[in-house]
Amino acid sequence: GQQVMQIPQYQHVQEGEDFTTYCNSSTTLSNIQWYKQRPGGHPVFLIQLVKSGEVKKQKRLTFQFGEAKKNSSLHITATQTTDVGTYFCALQGGGTSYGKLTFGQGTILTVHP
Amino acid sequence: KAGVTQTPRYLIKTRGQQVTLSCSPISGHRSVSWYQQTPGQGLQFLFEYFSETQRNKGNFPGRFSGRQFSNSRSEMNVSTLELGDSALYLCASSLENTGRGEQYFGPGTRLTVT
Repeated sequence: GQQVMQIPQYQHVQEGEDFTTYCNSSTTLSNIQWYKQRPGGHPVFLIQLVKSGEVKKQKRLTFQFGEAKKNSSLHITATQTTDVGTYFCALQGGGTSYGKLTFGQGTILTVHP
Repeated sequence: KAGVTQTPRYLIKTRGQQVTLSCSPISGHRSVSWYQQTPGQGLQFLFEYFSETQRNKGNFPGRFSGRQFSNSRSEMNVSTLELGDSALYLCASSLENTGRGEQYFGPGTRLTVT
């Protein structure tokens, strides 16, 4: 089945620094989603990318989908303590893969004030 | 709209016992997926239900089963519990009938097997 590698596993930053997490697949993806899970919480949908080379912004968050649709990144500018959590990329299977998301291992972000 | 709800939130069971977890999706959502989250394996897909039918299943042993009711509420059951079944069990509902698109997760049930 589809798999995705997500790096780094951990990222510690000082408040105000930037943060980036990457997801890479060996196969072409139909789309990719990003979720955030706060400590003790549950995954919350951030965005879905579908088009090759797509770039979407949500305030300080910038999401990119590679031209070959094999990689994606999430960049946070000027991190804040509220950005703490685990960021996951997730793939949806094609065809009859109903309801299944394949998650990356996640990047745990800690922000030091 | 109320979000996805899961009950119970916490559960402690003994090896060999069985457990049933419940999930109520967002009103109008008919696709319900279940995931297991552990520190070692991350988030793994268990199964998906739509209109009371299991449409998709992950790579878990037959001890893990589920069902969905006509009101879209879903339950999952784990029989003959093992220590390795200790995990956060999350359900998610989707507005799209294909189960694709954004998934809305519930708060999860934290299962501890002793």
